[in-house]
Amino acid sequence: AQSVTQLDSQVPVFEEAPVELRCNYSSSVSVYLFWYVQYPNQGLQLLLKYLSGSTLVESINGFEAEFNKSQTSFHLRKPSVHISDTAEYFCAVKGAQKLVFGQGTRLTINP
Amino acid sequence: IAGITQAPTSQILAAGRRMTLRCTQDMRHNAMYWYRQDLGLGLRLIHYSNTAGTTGKGEVPDGYSVSRANTDDFPLTLASAVPSQTSVYFCASSRSAEMNTEAFFGQGTRLTVV
Repeated sequence: AQSVTQLDSQVPVFEEAPVELRCNYSSSVSVYLFWYVQYPNQGLQLLLKYLSGSTLVESINGFEAEFNKSQTSFHLRKPSVHISDTAEYFCAVKGAQKLVFGQGTRLTINP
Repeated sequence: IAGITQAPTSQILAAGRRMTLRCTQDMRHNAMYWYRQDLGLGLRLIHYSNTAGTTGKGEVPDGYSVSRANTDDFPLTLASAVPSQTSVYFCASSRSAEMNTEAFFGQGTRLTVV
């Protein structure tokens, strides 16, 4: 069985500051890892994914995540956040045909 | 581009009533999923279907049933709603149940059981 733990339920940061949203997973099989973003009153959208190859994956809006197999982590980072990044972020792991989500991290950006 | 359509957008339902949440996708995806989203708990899988004609139980299946008569539709039924089923429900689909395929989500149905 797979599980995902997002260590922070809320992360407040100032605009243009860096941010890291933490995600750890456990699985007895090989997994694929995803970050989804949910803007207020909307569904979830895929932000980025790790399937294979380079352990560092990037999104088109400046986020990146690094797959660390030894630490079973897939932390999400952005060097400089904007007000428009305010959203809830979900880490997810897919294995054995099921997509399992973490509890979510609410990112709030203060001007 | 429609993607995944859920209906209704929101609903207030009396306890004990039967309710079906509709989900339709036009991407010809084989796998479909139903999740509920609750504050502090993230998204929890209710039921899933890897292909038309098959369904499986997720993490929190009790009180819910699904059917997958065709590729496009995956309705979720609450046979007798209870207040603990108040939640936001998301339908999702992926090209296949294979691990390397991402899921696409609908906009959600906000259900309140009173």
